[in-house]
Amino acid sequence: GAVVSQHPSRVICKSGTSVKIECRSLDFQATTMFWYRQFPKQSLMLMATSNEGSKATYEQGVEKDKFLINHASLTLSTLTVTSAHPEDSSFYICSAGSMNTEAFFGQGTRLTVV
Amino acid sequence: GEDVEQSLFLSVREGDSSVINCTYTDSSSTYLYWYKQEPGAGLQLLTYIFSNMDMKQDQRLTVLLNKKDKHLSLRIADTQTGDSAIYFCAESSSNTGKLIFGQGTTLQVKP
Repeated sequence: GAVVSQHPSRVICKSGTSVKIECRSLDFQATTMFWYRQFPKQSLMLMATSNEGSKATYEQGVEKDKFLINHASLTLSTLTVTSAHPEDSSFYICSAGSMNTEAFFGQGTRLTVV
Repeated sequence: GEDVEQSLFLSVREGDSSVINCTYTDSSSTYLYWYKQEPGAGLQLLTYIFSNMDMKQDQRLTVLLNKKDKHLSLRIADTQTGDSAIYFCAESSSNTGKLIFGQGTTLQVKP
């Protein structure tokens, strides 16, 4: 099946710094990528929909200035957590797909802000 | 709005069958998925079913879909200790392509 690579898998950063997470579709072109967040022992919540060449669509309650999404090419979307705080510590997962196809997920990134 | 519900916990003995249930509300769902998540890991797609099907079998996994009742189930035959994980069902709407996840069912397999 298709492969989505997410990097890094784990990152620890200091409070106030920014962290960039990359999501790459390795063997297909993804016009749409999705970013999810998962709190411990909870389900995945969609944060935003990333569309190649246009602005991301954010879900209600997600701060677009804090979670910057860039989808500059058909194979790469990035999520930057700006001025990270301990409450941003979470598991972030991307997926790539389109309407009427299955979604392919990255391995996830465990962010710890200290 | 769209909603997906699952029971939170299931415990079975090794060798028994496990049945994990899921209900959803979006009648425009096109694909319904089952994902497996082991501790600290990402999501592993187990299987999926298109909304015009009512059953799909893949080795030890059987997915049943009752579209009228908006009920989805995953049956794992001959459950093994390695099947212990959290199982998420998710639905994909034809309108947006995004996935809506259930809360996850923790499957505990006892030796």
